[in-house]
Order: sequence, then C-alpha cells, then structure tokens
Amino acid sequence: GQQVMQIPQYQHVQEGEDFTTYCNSSTTLSNIQWYKQRPGGHPVFLIQLVKSGEVKKQKRLTFQFGEAKKNSSLHITATQTTDVGTYFCAGSNTGKLIFGQGTTLQVKP
Amino acid sequence: DSGVTQTPKHLITATGQRVTLRCSPRSGDLSVYWYQQSLDQGLQFLIQYYNGEERAKGNILERFSAQQFPDLHSELNLSSLELGDSALYFCASSIRLSGANVLTFGAGSRLTVL
Repeated sequence: GQQVMQIPQYQHVQEGEDFTTYCNSSTTLSNIQWYKQRPGGHPVFLIQLVKSGEVKKQKRLTFQFGEAKKNSSLHITATQTTDVGTYFCAGSNTGKLIFGQGTTLQVKP
Repeated sequence: DSGVTQTPKHLITATGQRVTLRCSPRSGDLSVYWYQQSLDQGLQFLIQYYNGEERAKGNILERFSAQQFPDLHSELNLSSLELGDSALYFCASSIRLSGANVLTFGAGSRLTVL
C-alpha cells in the first residue's frame, strides 16, 4: 500500500541554525500537507501543496513539492525555540491521507 | 480551541477492560477521522466516517469499533484492552481545500492501560 517516509526522525539544532525535513512517498501524490504538533499538543495544519514543483513560504518556513509529486520538504531558516515540535507530512492519492512518521525538532537556546 | 471536542482527556484502565472515546466535530463538519498515536510513533489512521457512514478504514483492530451518530458525534470503542493499546487517540474533522481534505484535530484522549 501507499507509504510515506519522513527523515530524519529527530533533529537537534542550535537556535539560529537551519532545519530541513524530507518526505518521500512510494506513489505519486495528488497533494501533500504539512502539520506541526507542539509537545503535549495536537497536530495543527500548516500548509497544502498541490502542483508539481510548487514552493510556498510562511515567514521562515519554506515548503516544496517535488516535480514528480513523490517528495516534499520543509525548510526552516534560523530556527527559534518556538519552532520546537514534531513536523508531519501527509500525502494523499486515493483520498486517504497517509501521515509520515514525523520529524521531531529540538532547538537549543 | 480547534472546535473539535474530545472526551475524556485522560483515561486509565486495566487490561481486558473496554472504554469509549467520544468526539464532536467542528460545527458544520460532516466527517470524523480517528487516529492513534503511540509513543514515538506517527499518526496511524484508524477509520473515517462521513455523515454517519463509514467512508474509509485503516489499521483498525477487530477489538476496536466506531460509529457516527445522527448528531454527527462519533464514538470509538476499544475492548479487551492490552498494554499496547496505551496511546493518544485523536479525532479530527475536515474541510475541503483545493480538492483535498484538510484535517482539524481535537486535543486527543490519552489512554493508559495498566
């Protein structure tokens, strides 16, 4: 069945460093979504990408959807302690949303 | 407050017991999704309902069952509980965005099986 893999599983960075998480699907996706879960919280929708090669920005966050629509990335520039949490990608090609395992980001002040 | 309400927030029970988790979707949302999140695990899709009908099924165990009622709230029933069922159970409802379902999650119900 459809699988969505996310790497790395954990990332520790110093505040001010950049951070990137990668998401890869075994099948072509119709769209990719990103969610953030703060420690002790619930996943919150960040953004959705639909078009091949699409790039979207939200302040220090840059989201990309691959040309083949099988991979995506989230890049955070100059991390802050408020960026701490687990970032999930979620892909869909059959209407069913499949989540990656998530990347947990820790930021040292 | 996401608008998706889940009760109880915490639940501690013993192996072999049965529990019911409840979810009310955001006002106007017809869909309800259930996800399980174990320690260090991602979000495992269990089941989806739409306007009272089962729409999609994921890795839901036979010991688990769910339903959506006419007022659109949903219940997830977990029976013959095992230690491994200890997890966070999230409910979500959805809106359509560019042809896809975007999920809004509730705060979750933390189940501990002792």
